[in-house]
Order: sequence, then structure tokens, then C-alpha cells
Amino acid sequence: DTAVSQTPKYLVTQMGNDKSIKCEQNLGHDTMYWYKQDSKKFLKIMFSYNNKELIINETVPNRFSPKSPDKAHLNLHINSLELGDSAVYFCASSQNSPTTRETQYFGPGTRLLVL
Amino acid sequence: TQLLEQSPQFLSIQEGENLTVYCNSSSVFSSLQWYRQEPGEGPVLLVTVVTGGEVKKLKRLTFQFGDARKDSSLHITAAQPGDTGLYLCGSGAGSYQLTFGKGTKLSVIP
Repeated sequence: DTAVSQTPKYLVTQMGNDKSIKCEQNLGHDTMYWYKQDSKKFLKIMFSYNNKELIINETVPNRFSPKSPDKAHLNLHINSLELGDSAVYFCASSQNSPTTRETQYFGPGTRLLVL
Repeated sequence: TQLLEQSPQFLSIQEGENLTVYCNSSSVFSSLQWYRQEPGEGPVLLVTVVTGGEVKKLKRLTFQFGDARKDSSLHITAAQPGDTGLYLCGSGAGSYQLTFGKGTKLSVIP
């Protein structure tokens, strides 16, 4: 029944490794997002996809590559992980229209710790 | 990108007290969302305000949107421990890019 789900919930890995986080939404939304929340709880958008097409790519290193195989899924692949990548990553979705796209439904988050 | 400032950053109160948290911007909001994030979870939408001067109530929570649509407040009456969490305001100016404030971390002590 979960609206937006993410896996894994926890991810502990060594510096330099490559890892992926998966996200799925069953709300029928056509827009999905990745956010990063740092240790100070500041939530910042990384990517936005609408109907599988990249709309926004904020100042994110190109080690981060989102992939949307269909509009219900948005995965995040991270290459060459660095210590500063440690954070909580949230996936979210919304229905595309100027009045509804700001109402976002968030997943439970993936806690990434890079050692 | 619209900048949102939230205050206070931290708030610790006793159960039963009232409190107000604020969200301000130098630009006009097209709409504003309030979210609550509990520890270990993702943010959950509480309310969306759109019209200047609008007031919305959600049980003990009262949300107000400023007349000029540059500020908003969240008032909680008779706070309970279950209200503990991070309160975030967010706005996207009708775009895909939702910007959040840094949040108010509320602790309600039994």
C-alpha cells in the first residue's frame, strides 16, 4: 500500500564504491524527484523528472546519475562515492500541474553512510 | 530560486503550551506548503495555502498565509508529544523546483 517506496533504507559503503538507490511510486504521478537532506536537516532538490524526462538537474556532481525506466520509477546511481555524499536521500512524486506539482509525496528515505 | 527563512530553528516546549513557527520570503509565494517530518521518516504534507490572507485549520494546527503572500505561520494549540518533529515550509512558484526552508525542529516534552 506504500505510496512512495525506496530501497534500501540503510546503505553503508566504502569510499570509491558505486551504489544505486531505487524508488517506486504507485500514485500514478508523472513527476518524480530526488532530494538530499544533510546532517543539519536541510532538504535540497537534486533532480526532477517529468514523464521520464529530466527537467531539473541542480548543481549536483555528475557522479550522480538518475534513471527513469518508466514514470513510476526513478533510480539514483552514484559513482565513486565520497565522504560528503553521506546524507539521507529522499525520493518524492507529484502530479504535474502548476497547482498540484508542489504537493509532493515523499518516500521514507535512504540513509547513506560513506566510510 | 526563492529563499525561504524559517524561525525559530529550534523550539522545546512543555506539553499543553501553544506555539507559533514562521516562514518568510522576500518574494511572493504562488503557493506554500507545510510539511512535518518525524524522525526516521520522509516529510508529510500538512497543508497547502494559496490565497493571501487564507487561514486553514487542521485539528489543533492553524495555518495562516500573509495578505501579501510573502509569509506564513503555523500555530499549534495545546501541543502534544505527538507534535514533535521537523516542520518544513516549501514553495515552488508553480515550477518543478520545490524549495524548502531549513525547518523548525519542535520538541514537546511530556
